[in-house]
Order: sequence, then structure tokens, then C-alpha cells
Amino acid sequence: DQQVKQNSPSLSVQEGRISILNCDYTNSMFDYFLWYKKYPAEGPTFLISISSIKDKNEDGRFTVFLNKSAKHLSLHIVPSQPGDSAVYFCAASANGGTSYGKLTFGQGTILTVHP
Amino acid sequence: DVKVTQSSRYLVKRTGEKVFLECVQDMDHENMFWYRQDPGLGLRLIYFSYDVKMKEKGDIPEGYSVSREKKERFSLILESASTNQTSMYLCAAGENEKLFFGSGTQLSVL
Repeated sequence: DQQVKQNSPSLSVQEGRISILNCDYTNSMFDYFLWYKKYPAEGPTFLISISSIKDKNEDGRFTVFLNKSAKHLSLHIVPSQPGDSAVYFCAASANGGTSYGKLTFGQGTILTVHP
Repeated sequence: DVKVTQSSRYLVKRTGEKVFLECVQDMDHENMFWYRQDPGLGLRLIYFSYDVKMKEKGDIPEGYSVSREKKERFSLILESASTNQTSMYLCAAGENEKLFFGSGTQLSVL
């Protein structure tokens, strides 16, 4: 039972263009969402997060959008750079801030940014 | 930033062996986690601990146990390794959802 789903295993984008990574969830108890980035031979690193009381959070080139009614969130990277090529994991938690970091992850999307 | 160190990058074991995966964090975080990463399945939580000598089952605890004798060290134990436990194992530490991960241990069980 995959409660967090990333339905696109891979995405290929040209440098300078926008990358849009999508994530859907089924558990309506989830109230805090995160994106992690993972390079080969390294552990995932935290990228950006959003609480369910917001619908948008921005950090430099990265913006996360949350649509609670559709149970959908997306990560926008503008402009995309070759160094953004990595695996991106969407994650969610219930009782955000009190769940001791117990996260449910999606399957991941491999982003490739071509020069 | 927190540094999370996993003792082995690659490990090859035989079916039935007892396997220990070690993880050490260099900050004072209460919470530590063990995940496994498999293609098409993402990261799945095996066990977590929010205090010394405390442990909680995650989503896939079967075949695993853990030990947390000291705050900085969290060990994952495969009592009798099986081929379906071949995977990338990731340890993490943190106070909230913004976890810090180690580089992972790629375990192959033959």
C-alpha cells in the first residue's frame, strides 16, 4: 500500500528550463511534506518542505506547491542546472513536528538535466 | 550540520549469517532511523528510536532488530540474513522531519 506515490520514474529536462516533479498521497492524516535529493553514493539530503497550512513554499530556485484537495504536491526547479541531476524523493509525515521524523517516502524520480 | 556515519559502504554476506550494520551520529539528536532503499519502492522505514534503549517498529521490521545502547549509536541487526534482505540500508538522525542521512551500506546476501 504505497501511501506516497511518485508516478514518474524519470524526467529529462534541458538546462535553463523548468523541472516539475510530482507527488501524490492517499493518507489524509499527512500534514507535513518534504523533498529530499539524493546523489549516487550519498545519502538523501533535505531540500525543501511545506506544512499543510500553506499552499506554496519557495527557496531560491526551488518551489513546492501543495494542493490538499487533490492530495498532490509538486516541486518546481527554475532554472534547472546540470548539478540538479539526482534522484528526488517526496516524503510525508502525520502530526508534523511531533512525529519524531517518521517519514513515508515515495519511490523517487530520477531527474536528468542536459547541458 | 549533523554527520551520520555508517561503518561499511559495501558488505557481502551469506544466507543465514548474523549481520550488524552500525551507525554513529556526531550531534546530540534524540531520534535515529533505519531505512532501506529498493528500486521502485523508495525508502521504507525498518525501525526507529527516540531515546537510548528505546525502539519502535517501522513499516517493515520483520527479520530485523535494533540496538541503541548509547545516544550516538544505532545498530541494525539481521538475525539470519536472507537474499530478500539484499538492499541499500540508510541510517538517519534528526530532531524533526528534516533528517540527516548517512551515505548508506549496500548489503548483498548471497
